[in-house]
Order: sequence, then structure tokens, then C-alpha cells
Amino acid sequence: QKEVEQNSGPLSVPEGAIASLNCTYSDRVSQSFFWYRQYSGKSPELIMSIYSNGDKEDGRFTAQLNKASQYVSLLIRDSQPSDSATYLCAVHPGYQKVTFGTGTKLQVIP
Amino acid sequence: NAGVMQNPRHLVRRRGQEARLRCSPMKGHSHVYWYRQLPEEGLKFMVYLQKENIIDESGMPKERFSAEFPKEGPSILRIQQVVRGDSAAYFCASSLQALVSTDTQYFGPGTRLTVL
Repeated sequence: QKEVEQNSGPLSVPEGAIASLNCTYSDRVSQSFFWYRQYSGKSPELIMSIYSNGDKEDGRFTAQLNKASQYVSLLIRDSQPSDSATYLCAVHPGYQKVTFGTGTKLQVIP
Repeated sequence: NAGVMQNPRHLVRRRGQEARLRCSPMKGHSHVYWYRQLPEEGLKFMVYLQKENIIDESGMPKERFSAEFPKEGPSILRIQQVVRGDSAAYFCASSLQALVSTDTQYFGPGTRLTVL
């Protein structure tokens, strides 16, 4: 089992819809969780970090964490074509390196 | 520019040559991470360093690759005798610490290595 798993996609959503990106992780003691956005040919850019169970909102983005079920998700409301990118989930167990998922490619269709 | 800096942004080498990639972390950050990314693939962890120490090099190929983060100056990822398979984007990231809530990694723009 991979340490951090994401559906590779592509996930296609129409403009204005909610995009839901999911990530599961295997290390139960993980404490820090991150979502990065990566445009083609560019470096990863931090969108959100979350440390506690529940929801964390920042503009159109909401991160959701459920440690009991070992998943973290990212919701993008009112999706825009400019949101089209690969979204990377990253997990830090607190005692060793951060582990990245392979990413989910999101396509927002105008 | 307070962000993570990498240079060169693009590097072309012929097979058998050496490649040196440099990374200057964000101001105040003492933790540096190197990742490799092949086209259309995910980030692959290579090495994690603190000043003058290699903390985790579990992702680094055993031969030809080395990394350092000296007390003064940037972190260096060195690839000796490059082969075509080394062609990739190499990203550096830095963090303030490695403890929860201060462990956020910020990425540099990357170095695109092309081996002819």
C-alpha cells in the first residue's frame, strides 16, 4: 500500500461546479497535511495546510481532515478554468520526511 | 526575493558530464529537501538535509548522486557522469523546522536538466 494515495484523474468538472479531490494515507500517526497545486511546467505551490480534524476554509478552498478514516480532501468551490492543474496531497507523520502523493489532475471545462 | 531560489533554471549537459544544481532556502529556513520529477509523473523524494548534515538520503540513487548543505552558502545537488535518464525537473524545498506546524515546505522554481 502506498503511503499517500490519490486518484490520478483527470477529474473533469464544469466551470462553476465544486471540485472534490481526495487523498488517503497509511501512517496513522500523521499530524500535518498539505495541499499543493502544480501547473504544468511549474513548481508546486502551497494552497492549504491542516492539522486538526474538521474543515478549514480559505476563500474558494476547503480542506477536510478525518484522522480516524485517514483521509484528507480538498474542495474547490466555483471552479474556474485557471484551477486546472495537478493537485498534490502531502502528509507529515511528525518524525520523518513529508510524503507526497502522485497528484490528481483537475480539468475545469469552460 | 524571500522565496526559495534555485539555479540554474535550465541546465544542458552531455552524457558523462557533471551537473551541479544549487538551492538557496527561504530566509531563516534550515531544512532543505530535494525532489526529482519526471514528465507527467509525481514528485520523488531524494534527500533531506539540515545545515552540514544529511538527515535522510533514502531516495537518492546510491551512485553518481550526492548532496550537501554547508554551513555557509546554498545546498548543492551533484550528479556525476550524467545519463539520459537523469533528464528531469529537480525541485528544492525548504522549511523552517521539521516539527508539526513549522514543517510547511516551500518550493523553488526548479532546475530543468536535459542530458543530450
